[in-house]
Amino acid sequence: SQQGEEDPQALSIQEGENATMNCSYKTSINNLQWYRQNSGRGLVHLILIRSNEREKHSGRLRVTLDTSKKSSSLLITASRAADTASYFCATDEETSGSRLTFGEGTQLTVNP
Amino acid sequence: DAGITQSPRHKVTETGTPVTLRCHQTENHRYMYWYRQDPGHGLRLIHYSYGVKDTDKGEVSDGYSVSRSKTEDFLLTLESATSSQTSVYFCATRGIMNTEAFFGQGTRLTVV
Repeated sequence: SQQGEEDPQALSIQEGENATMNCSYKTSINNLQWYRQNSGRGLVHLILIRSNEREKHSGRLRVTLDTSKKSSSLLITASRAADTASYFCATDEETSGSRLTFGEGTQLTVNP
Repeated sequence: DAGITQSPRHKVTETGTPVTLRCHQTENHRYMYWYRQDPGHGLRLIHYSYGVKDTDKGEVSDGYSVSRSKTEDFLLTLESATSSQTSVYFCATRGIMNTEAFFGQGTRLTVV
């Protein structure tokens, strides 16, 4: 089974609202990353949070990490129609060296 | 953007035929990855490489083999294609472990 599981699978909101996506994982990690994928395209890196960090910000993105619960959340504030995409979390597992595994993703739709 | 080129971008092949997908990078990145993306499963790791001639299996490696004879190329081979291998295949690279990955544009493979 996959390392990461995302919740919800799909999320539909109005422009200007905040969007929150959650990721849970199974094993100890070195870091957790979030990626975005526009339909039919390759993934693009958004933000990385290390296992010793609890929160990180980048523009309208806020990521939290709770290693005790093995979970992370991605918050997009003041969403725009252009934020419509799939969002994936990915983890570098502590014991697996260079292996990078992804979750199943959340499909975000931002309605104008 | 990282210089990652996947070829071919689209391919239709018959069941039982061998297929090779190529990932070429111009970034001199050490680590390279092959993923498949299917609805409801997100990205699943097939194989990855941590150096020339150094490869390891991912979550869904059965039916796939890889080779990396030089830094810039990572080949994914389906020895005898099956309909269950119909998918979109993504290559990714990164220069340093535990950092962001860069993705190619994907190869859409249909096995009929």
